[in-house]
Amino acid sequence: GDSVTQMEGPVTLSEEAFLTINCTYTATGYPSLFWYVQYPGEGLQLLLKATKADDKGSNKGFEATYRKETTSFHLEKGSVQVSDSAVYFCALIAYTGNQFYFGTGTSLTVIP
Amino acid sequence: GAVVSQHPSWVICKSGTSVKIECRSLDFQATTMFWYRQFPKQSLMLMATSNEGSKATYEQGVEKDKFLINHASLTLSTLTVTSAHPEDSSFYICSARGLDGYEQYFGPGTRLTVT
Repeated sequence: GDSVTQMEGPVTLSEEAFLTINCTYTATGYPSLFWYVQYPGEGLQLLLKATKADDKGSNKGFEATYRKETTSFHLEKGSVQVSDSAVYFCALIAYTGNQFYFGTGTSLTVIP
Repeated sequence: GAVVSQHPSWVICKSGTSVKIECRSLDFQATTMFWYRQFPKQSLMLMATSNEGSKATYEQGVEKDKFLINHASLTLSTLTVTSAHPEDSSFYICSARGLDGYEQYFGPGTRLTVT
């Protein structure tokens, strides 16, 4: 079945450090891929998405590229800020499906 | 656009009572709504999928008599936790999918604490 695997946290970085959160997926067909962010006590917010191979999603300095050959969708940011501290979820949805498949989430803490 | 609200945002109830959580799509019509549950420091688990005007489809292991879902209109779905117990304490998140596509928009979540 479809699934998402993302690197376990927690991740702690200093402000302005480079961030990578790895995400790989298993799916039949051509899923759409997403990164969601959850701030403490809040629901999920869509951070970025990519709907086909080689697409790059980007938002607020975050980027992720849909790599079909490696079935990956790694999240990157060149210079993190304290305000980026949150839990990040990688997710996929099949082209014909209803259901989101979420990774287990990666907690990021950015220290000044 | 594409805003989903939930009410209440948090609720505390006593064991044995029932609690209703509302999920509304504010600026679009949602043919399908989804209910998720999130345990502390864990990912979201899909509980059920509801389509307007029909019975909800529950995921394996989710008690349909305990978690009653009603999708009465294209903008409102409700989740009622019946005879709540402390183990039902969790963060419940809904999402809604519009008429035009497959993307889901998530609500801000409802934190339920059963004492």
